[in-house]
Amino acid sequence: SQTIHQWPATLVQPVGSPLSLECTVEGTSNPNLYWYRQAAGRGLQLLFYSIGIDQISSEVPQNLSASRPQDRQFILSSKKLLLSDSGFYLCAWEETTEAFFGQGTRLTVV
Amino acid sequence: AQSVTQLDSQVPVFEEAPVELRCNYSSSVSVYLFWYVQYPNQGLQLLLKYLSGSTLVKGINGFEAEFNKSQTSFHLRKPSVHISDTAEYFCAVRSNDYKLSFGAGTTVTVRA
Repeated sequence: SQTIHQWPATLVQPVGSPLSLECTVEGTSNPNLYWYRQAAGRGLQLLFYSIGIDQISSEVPQNLSASRPQDRQFILSSKKLLLSDSGFYLCAWEETTEAFFGQGTRLTVV
Repeated sequence: AQSVTQLDSQVPVFEEAPVELRCNYSSSVSVYLFWYVQYPNQGLQLLLKYLSGSTLVKGINGFEAEFNKSQTSFHLRKPSVHISDTAEYFCAVRSNDYKLSFGAGTTVTVRA
């Protein structure tokens, strides 16, 4: 069966430090992959999505970037975190139009 | 541009009463439509989806939704809610370029 792994679950980082959040999917090939940020009252904000290796679409101009070095790996990064980058980040993959979500990462920038 | 608007941020409702959650979308291309639910302290799970065919879609837990192309709406309904339906509900739109966008969510609170 297919599973999605997202880590770490929680992260506290100082302002100006780099960020790397990783998401991997098992049990499927060539999945569509997504990064979202979830905030109370704002729903899920689509940050990036990818339909294949090196095929990444960015939805919101901001301090973050995404990469897909392998078919089933999707990484969210930042070179220098801002306080406003704090939030709950969700990775998701899609198969036959149903999306499945990771457990999320709670990022606090201090 | 593709966007999803959930018209109600909070919906309080009494147990066994009906509930309707409204969702409108804008898109210049054909889309697939979804409703997801997030129970307290849990992840999102799919309630139902519209891909094609009948505009009335039935999902899990007694929910149904109707796709209205002319009004670009996909409203969610349940004729009689239970306490366990207390959750946040998200409408989502997926275009044929695989972009999957969500609305801001509607919090449903069911009271006895």
